[in-house]
Amino acid sequence: AQSVSQHNHHVILSEAASLELGCNYSYGGTVNLFWYVQYPGQHLQLLLKYFSGDPLVKGIKGFEAEFIKSKFSFNLRKPSVQWSDTAEYFCAVGNRDDKIIFGKGTRLHILP
Amino acid sequence: GAVVSQHPSWVICKSGTSVKIECRSLDFQATTMFWYRQFPKQSLMLMATSNEGSKATYEQGVEKDKFLINHASLTLSTLTVTSAHPEDSSFYICSARVRGRGEAFFGQGTRLTVV
Repeated sequence: AQSVSQHNHHVILSEAASLELGCNYSYGGTVNLFWYVQYPGQHLQLLLKYFSGDPLVKGIKGFEAEFIKSKFSFNLRKPSVQWSDTAEYFCAVGNRDDKIIFGKGTRLHILP
Repeated sequence: GAVVSQHPSWVICKSGTSVKIECRSLDFQATTMFWYRQFPKQSLMLMATSNEGSKATYEQGVEKDKFLINHASLTLSTLTVTSAHPEDSSFYICSARVRGRGEAFFGQGTRLTVV
């Protein structure tokens, strides 16, 4: 059965700090991986996705994620966070024709 | 592009009544729609997957007779919470996807409060 595990439930950082949020998955077959973000009071938005090709994926707002197949991981990174990055971040797994399953989310709080 | 709209954004209903939530893809045809439920400070729990013109596939533990899903057209899916109880109070989110494309686009969610 497919599953997604996010290691950090709540992360607090100061502005300009570097960020890495962990995500591990379990999935049989061709995998698509996603990171979604939910800003306070807003709906889910896609940050980035991996379907195939270059395992280093760049998304919006300076975020990137690296797919490491051998580790079943898809960690999210940003070299220098901003106060506006305060949000909840969800890792998700699926494929083009199957359901998308979400991790439990990581609440990121950036101190100004 | 790729806008998904949910209506209503919030609803309060009395225990025992039914509530319908609509999910529309405004600028694309969604062959697949997903319905999720999100509890406070928790992740999105997939309730069911619906493909246009066919019956929804419910996740284990989700009562299909309580949460009625209809996906009658390529731009509209509805979730009806029947005989609602206070424990059904939650945040319900839909997402829509074109078959063969991996990413899904999300509606803004509907906060249901049953009193």
